[in-house]
Amino acid sequence: DAGITQSPRHKVTETGTPVTLRCHQTENHRYMYWYRQDPGHGLRLIHYSYGVKDTDKGEVSDGYSVSRSKTEDFLLTLESATSSQTSVYFCAISEMLGLKHEQYFGPGTRLTVT
Amino acid sequence: AQSVTQLDSQVPVFEEAPVELRCNYSSSVSVYLFWYVQYPNQGLQLLLKYLSGSTLVKGINGFEAEFNKSQTSFHLRKPSVHISDTAEYFCAVKETSGSRLTFGEGTQLTVNP
Repeated sequence: DAGITQSPRHKVTETGTPVTLRCHQTENHRYMYWYRQDPGHGLRLIHYSYGVKDTDKGEVSDGYSVSRSKTEDFLLTLESATSSQTSVYFCAISEMLGLKHEQYFGPGTRLTVT
Repeated sequence: AQSVTQLDSQVPVFEEAPVELRCNYSSSVSVYLFWYVQYPNQGLQLLLKYLSGSTLVKGINGFEAEFNKSQTSFHLRKPSVHISDTAEYFCAVKETSGSRLTFGEGTQLTVNP
């Protein structure tokens, strides 16, 4: 299994509070991604990173920010959590080189905003 | 922009029966195609991928998929399913020059005894 961990694995927070989710990899892959998974929507890309301090928006980036100060860590921040951000969040990594274009996924973080 | 449509949201089958999960994609450029499986309360695992070459791709757990460029499809098949294949399956597409995957909405496969 690819070395990807996410923390915390579960979190309950109140509306309006800031929340930071962490993704950590031990594979030295260049690309890192944050997705949210909701019933009926599959996985939707929030933000991704193509290198240290290089990030870009995905299709559902409103209300989220990211940072990548080291190759191995990619942080997702909800500046002021809302109930619509209750979801399961997945981190993924990829090399995007040669024949290796697939993404490897972490175990997920279940976030509940009350 | 690319998009993916998984034609069935739920597929119930009996154990040892064959199954096909359908996936169609839309893209104006060349693509790579993937199938992932998600077991309850877990992340996604890669089942198989098509990058180039033979249009019939074999993956783990006895699954295979066929890339059909003219029909823009990448259907997933297994000749005989087991109870343990019960899971959600996601088709995904990536432009060959891009760095993002676009996922379909998923198909829940339920294998009944």
